[in-house]
Amino acid sequence: GENVGLHLPTLSVQEGDNSIINCAYSNSASDYFIWYKQESGKGPQFIIDIRSNMDKRQGQRVTVLLNKTVKHLSLQIAATQPGDSAVYFCAEKDKAAGNKLTFGGGTRVLVKP
Amino acid sequence: DAGVTQSPTHLIKTRGQQVTLRCSPISGHKSVSWYQQVLGQGPQFIFQYYEKEERGRGNFPDRFSARQFPNYSSELNVNALLLGDSALYLCASSSSGIRDTQYFGPGTRLTVL
Repeated sequence: GENVGLHLPTLSVQEGDNSIINCAYSNSASDYFIWYKQESGKGPQFIIDIRSNMDKRQGQRVTVLLNKTVKHLSLQIAATQPGDSAVYFCAEKDKAAGNKLTFGGGTRVLVKP
Repeated sequence: DAGVTQSPTHLIKTRGQQVTLRCSPISGHKSVSWYQQVLGQGPQFIFQYYEKEERGRGNFPDRFSARQFPNYSSELNVNALLLGDSALYLCASSSSGIRDTQYFGPGTRLTVL
């Protein structure tokens, strides 16, 4: 079936630097994308979302970019902090699939002090 | 405001047994979705319920069933447990269950021996 995948399984970043997490998706019918953060022993936490009629959306310290031409999604975290250490998942929705989220395999972000 | 709550936190069962997991959505949310997350992977969609009716089902065997109650809480039942059912079971709630953000609970860790 269609899957959302990630290029990098693990990302090590120095505290204070910016982080970029990438995600490739294959379902061209997907029209809504979400980034979740999952800390050890916890459920996924909503970070930011973007609809397919947008290219960029900004939140607090986070920015999501969507390139529909190459089916690519990225999450940028500014001034990465130790609390940002977690596994990050991108997920997508296809309008025809209702409220079902399709997740990728995740990227682990390790913040070095 | 309380987030999504799930019970129990952890559960250990043996093969062939049956298990019931419970979820209470965020107050005011009418939709509940269930996901299975195997260690090291992204969550996989199992069911979505909205206003007590099933609105979506993932690629899981009939051993998996669920229901939603008038107060919008939900139960996930798994019969004839297999070792491969060992996973974190996540519940997510959303307002209308159609095109809005899903917020996840902490999950129930099920171990099948």
